[in-house]
Amino acid sequence: GESVGLHLPTLSVQEGDNSIINCAYSNSASDYFIWYKQESGKGPQFIIDIRSNMDKRQGQRVTVLLNKTVKHLSLQIAATQPGDSAVYFCAESVTYGGSQGNLIFGKGTKLSVKP
Amino acid sequence: GAVVSQHPSWVICKSGTSVKIECRSLDFQATTMFWYRQFPKQSLMLMATSNEGSKATYEQGVEKDKFLINHASLTLSTLTVTSAHPEDSSFYICSASARGIAAGELFFGEGSRLTVL
Repeated sequence: GESVGLHLPTLSVQEGDNSIINCAYSNSASDYFIWYKQESGKGPQFIIDIRSNMDKRQGQRVTVLLNKTVKHLSLQIAATQPGDSAVYFCAESVTYGGSQGNLIFGKGTKLSVKP
Repeated sequence: GAVVSQHPSWVICKSGTSVKIECRSLDFQATTMFWYRQFPKQSLMLMATSNEGSKATYEQGVEKDKFLINHASLTLSTLTVTSAHPEDSSFYICSASARGIAAGELFFGEGSRLTVL
């Protein structure tokens, strides 16, 4: 099923520290996952993605970890900066007959970076 | 990355009026566009998927006669909220894809905030 949040979890970190944002997804058939960053009043911005045949993928200052056994996804941000303050959403998708299905968004986590 | 533009970015209207929101892909041809709505402090909820030249596919619980979606060209989709009511006040976001949802090939607009008085 879908996970829709009524309250936004918040993570507060000190500038320069590493941040870990977690996401529990619901559909065991999901095979493609994306992390998005959404700043206040703006649309989501792609950060990094991962397919289910991988358990780790690294980008610039970000790492996504996938644990299919417990249906858990995490986003690690190294050396967090004030500009990283935003709401972060994970999204999951299922491949049907070679086509990628629609994205289902998780509830989101608000990251606040203290200078 | 590719650019998706939404217009207007915010709109205030009276209850009972209709409001049209445009979603344009500026530098690529979008075969598929998606419309989401987002309430404060909540996640994005997919409303409908539209493919150029065909009728939109609406998600369960979304009234197709209230939220009219038109995808008349490969660069433009519109969402019209008909007979708007205060409960329709929300942040509406579109996204567009040229070759499908994969490897960051789904691009989002900046959103349109609708306030119905």
